Amino acid sequence: EVQLVESGGGLVQPGGSLRLSCVASGFTFSTYWISWVRQAPGKGLEWVANINQDGSEKNFAAPVKGRFTISRDNAKNSVYLQMNSLRAEDTAVYHCARDYDRTYSFGYWGQGSLVMVSS
Amino acid sequence: QSALTQPASVSGSPGQSITISCTGTSSDVGSYNLVSWYQQHPGKAPKLMIYEGSKRPSGVSNRFSGSKSGNTASLTISGLQAEDEADYYCCSYAGPIIRFVFGTGTKVTLL
Repeated sequence: EVQLVESGGGLVQPGGSLRLSCVASGFTFSTYWISWVRQAPGKGLEWVANINQDGSEKNFAAPVKGRFTISRDNAKNSVYLQMNSLRAEDTAVYHCARDYDRTYSFGYWGQGSLVMVSS
Repeated sequence: QSALTQPASVSGSPGQSITISCTGTSSDVGSYNLVSWYQQHPGKAPKLMIYEGSKRPSGVSNRFSGSKSGNTASLTISGLQAEDEADYYCCSYAGPIIRFVFGTGTKVTLL
């Protein structure tokens, strides 16, 4: 069974940093792209970033480009989202997600990790 | 990149069919047959219902179907049931720079 479990969320002040982790199981982790998708309280879904199988290709949404970085450790079946210069508008539940059957879709999701940016 | 446009809410009676539209541009929905649809119940993670415009993942009811015409994709739910009450989001691949763009979301309610 495919499982994705996020951790690392919490309360942080504006301008601060936080690192989210996503640990995967139930599939051959090193052969899949992984994405981060966030959802602000009461709002819709927003794609944030993704990383390819060996970490050589990374893509970011415009609102986080230059502030967030993404990395992975295939030996630990883990993906990380390093978030710097956090703003109030980054407050959201952050989900990691894997594609379905190697298509441009998100077939498997973690339950998410809440990040709150507030003073 | 702006979010894809969906109606804020759609409602229907049990057993009826409803359709949710998802309007993008020639840079996303119109350029790729790579629209996916997600169902989200309160407090839960999204669930993939349709991928590549009209394909259903294993285990998803055939009451859910997808289509596309020009820059607009659609999700149809037939034989509406109580468990279909949820938020629905479309998502389109938008090329190698933007990557993915989600829709604004639609709340489906039963009358």
